[in-house]
Amino acid sequence: QVLLQESGPGLVKPSQTLSLTCTVSGGSISRGGYYWTWIRQHPGKGLEWIGYIYYSGSTYYNPSLKSRVTMSVDTSKNQFSLNLSSVTAADTAVYYCARLDPVDTAMVIDYWGQGTLVTVSS
Amino acid sequence: SYVLTQPPSLSVAPGKTASITCGGNNIGSKSVHWYQQKPGQAPVLVIYYNSDRPSGIPERVSGSNSGNTATLTISRVEAGDEADYYCQVWDSSSDHLVFGGGTKLTVL
Repeated sequence: QVLLQESGPGLVKPSQTLSLTCTVSGGSISRGGYYWTWIRQHPGKGLEWIGYIYYSGSTYYNPSLKSRVTMSVDTSKNQFSLNLSSVTAADTAVYYCARLDPVDTAMVIDYWGQGTLVTVSS
Repeated sequence: SYVLTQPPSLSVAPGKTASITCGGNNIGSKSVHWYQQKPGQAPVLVIYYNSDRPSGIPERVSGSNSGNTATLTISRVEAGDEADYYCQVWDSSSDHLVFGGGTKLTVL
């Protein structure tokens, strides 16, 4: 059973950088074969994909957020991270980390973290 | 970019069948996955590769995909099925993971 847990500040000031970390247990990120992804959900709204990272460090970001997103991975700690710069109130959302299984390039999310609410406010 | 269209809401009486649609251009050529999300909880995978069920998902939950529409079908609907449901595909032409807007299933 793979478990993912998000951590980071629940409150970020406008124009600052939102930083979250996802700790993975029950499976090694460095084993390969899976992509590690961030997804967010604005209050009362649907799911928005932010991007993914592979254990090697290769990344792909949603073009709508690409200019502000940076993802990184720390295989020694079995963690991956999200940085979102220049945040505004529109970035207030629940942020989920999750695992992407790329079998047959169909990319299915098989494990999710519980999610963490990040509020952007002064 | 690829767009998935879902009806915002659907109401079904207990014991009846709920059919939640997900429309997309030639979606039948893609693999569609479905997630259930209850209030305050993370989404849970209920159907993958159009019609496969993860372990623990009951047989009354099924999926299909053809042409321009994928469908999630829940037979003998129960109160515990009340949730938001999202379809999802991987758009290989843009390397982009795409979600539908979600359908809120209400059990009357």
